[in-house]
Amino acid sequence: DAGITQSPRHKVTETGTPVTLRCHQTENHRYMYWYRQDPGHGLRLIHYSYGVKDTDKGEVSDGYSVSRSKTEDFLLTLESATSSQTSVYFCASQGLASSYNEQFFGPGTRLTVL
Amino acid sequence: GESVGLHLPTLSVQEGDNSIINCAYSNSASDYFIWYKQESGKGPQFIIDIRSNMDKRQGQRVTVLLNKTVKHLSLQIAATQPGDSAVYFCAEGQAGTALIFGKGTTLSVSS
Repeated sequence: DAGITQSPRHKVTETGTPVTLRCHQTENHRYMYWYRQDPGHGLRLIHYSYGVKDTDKGEVSDGYSVSRSKTEDFLLTLESATSSQTSVYFCASQGLASSYNEQFFGPGTRLTVL
Repeated sequence: GESVGLHLPTLSVQEGDNSIINCAYSNSASDYFIWYKQESGKGPQFIIDIRSNMDKRQGQRVTVLLNKTVKHLSLQIAATQPGDSAVYFCAEGQAGTALIFGKGTTLSVSS
């Protein structure tokens, strides 16, 4: 846990505004992930990254974009927030593709879109 | 101890009981399974994993059982403690692909 942080931890915004969430890890992990967590759905993958500037879409990528310019930072952007994007967002990182037992999750960002 | 059938969202047990949390997974090609624990206000935390070439794996007070025939995974917690109260998720995956998470079971332990 200590090696991965998210900012902000809480945010309230209005529909139509852009929002960027930041994930920062100090583990020098290659893989990073953004998930959203909603009641009744568990964790759903939004986007992931398998290296600097290498990203791909997950299950629920519509309305989201990501960027990874440095190993340690993975940004999630909502270009124009909608109420359906109200959720708790978690990022995660892991070193190797198969090292799930070394996957660390951040503490989460609670986003409310009014 | 208490047990649940195929996924129920909540499980309530008494301190000291054994708990069994079940999970049905979807992809018969998945070769890696994980259980996570998520405490209130925190991110998921890895508990134990098992590969598809195994049926059982034990950790400290936890055991994971895998039944590939019926695509079923279970987590057994021995001598459940109040600190075990949390949401427990199973996840499945294959090397090099993203994990697929289950919906989670909330475990409540009363003393």
